Amino acid sequence: EVQLLESGGGLVQPGGSLRLSCAASGFRFSTSSMNWVRQAPGKGLEWISYITSSGDTVYYADSVKGRFTISRDNAKDTVFLQMHSLRVEDTAVYYCAKTGGANWFDPWGQGTLVTVSS
Amino acid sequence: DIQMTQSPSTLSASVGDTVTITCRASQTISTWLAWYQQQPGRAPKLLIYKASSLQSGVPSRFSGSGSGTEFTLTITSLQPDDFASYYCQQYDNYPWTFGQGTKLEIK
Repeated sequence: EVQLLESGGGLVQPGGSLRLSCAASGFRFSTSSMNWVRQAPGKGLEWISYITSSGDTVYYADSVKGRFTISRDNAKDTVFLQMHSLRVEDTAVYYCAKTGGANWFDPWGQGTLVTVSS
Repeated sequence: DIQMTQSPSTLSASVGDTVTITCRASQTISTWLAWYQQQPGRAPKLLIYKASSLQSGVPSRFSGSGSGTEFTLTITSLQPDDFASYYCQQYDNYPWTFGQGTKLEIK
């Protein structure tokens, strides 16, 4: 069974940092591109970052560019999201999602909540 | 960026009804469109990709159509589990963008 399990969320003050992890199982992680998508409380979905299977190409949404860094460890079947200079508006549930055949998202992890507040 | 606009934002229906949700793209995206269902407190689940291809395991009462800038998701014979939020997503061009969502409520 394909599974994605996020961890690392929590409460952080504005300006702080946090590192999210997403552990994958049930599929060939090293040949799969991956994404992070977030959802603010009561709001819609926002794609924020993408990484190719080898990690040589990454993309970011403008809202996080320069503050967030996506990376992966194919030996550990894990993708990461390092978040710096966090803002109140970064408060959201963060999901990791495997890229489908083109660039749809399937499956998704259960999400991890990041709360940025003083 | 490509803007995706869904309508309606909220839809009330009864078990057994047929409903249609529309998604419009701000520029043509061919058929590079996916639909997701999200139950409260749960992660989104892929329903449809490439505008009309049904994801494995998804009931056939879900169907998608459209190309270019206008797309629809139709759900026939609504079941209690179908009352959820639905999102379209374009993957024609980075950054990948979602519609604002449609909440399907029980009438």
